[in-house]
Amino acid sequence: GESVGLHLPTLSVQEGDNSIINCAYSNSASDYFIWYKQESGKGPQFIIDIRSNMDKRQGQRVTVLLNKTVKHLSLQIAATQPGDSAVYFCAENGGLGNQFYFGTGTSLTVIP
Amino acid sequence: EPEVTQTPSHQVTQMGQEVILRCVPISNHLYFYWYRQILGQKVEFLVSFYNNEISEKSEIFDDQFSVERPDGSNFTLKIRSTKLEDSAMYFCASSEEGYNEKLFFGSGTQLSVL
Repeated sequence: GESVGLHLPTLSVQEGDNSIINCAYSNSASDYFIWYKQESGKGPQFIIDIRSNMDKRQGQRVTVLLNKTVKHLSLQIAATQPGDSAVYFCAENGGLGNQFYFGTGTSLTVIP
Repeated sequence: EPEVTQTPSHQVTQMGQEVILRCVPISNHLYFYWYRQILGQKVEFLVSFYNNEISEKSEIFDDQFSVERPDGSNFTLKIRSTKLEDSAMYFCASSEEGYNEKLFFGSGTQLSVL
């Protein structure tokens, strides 16, 4: 039969602009979240993580914001570069165990 | 920088054949995982492994699947009798600790079952 793939949300930004990628997670018990970047043909690459006792965490050019009230996570990338073009996934831990549940991903394209 | 390595990068097999996917986790990591990603779909958890035994597994990880740590460095996923729907990218991952620790992923093995 025909397989139905996911239609990834897409985001196109100009080089040098800031990017904001959003994620709605599903499990209110999740207490640990990770953003991953996946380039074509490669495995997910860790970007930044945040635990549920925090609302915001900053890394190098990236910031993650967590809103537990509405179960929303965002990734902000400052001064986006062509090398940032990839699919970005949020992952939640479901509040128990050590398996992660991945979101559908957002495809980011940086226009030089 | 230490990384998770996976071999082969591509594997083509006939339906019903056995395949073994190989992984070398990061050396000081204690927890090992297999995930898979069917083309165009989400990354899905298969199994986690700690202290030489499975700690968690998903519904996908049925009796056709098995994992093993045959020596101090390798971590393998065996699919006993492959089906067409097993075609996917299989990712190995490892973490230093188990709960609430970031996973480091390998580059994946693209399995194609014909």
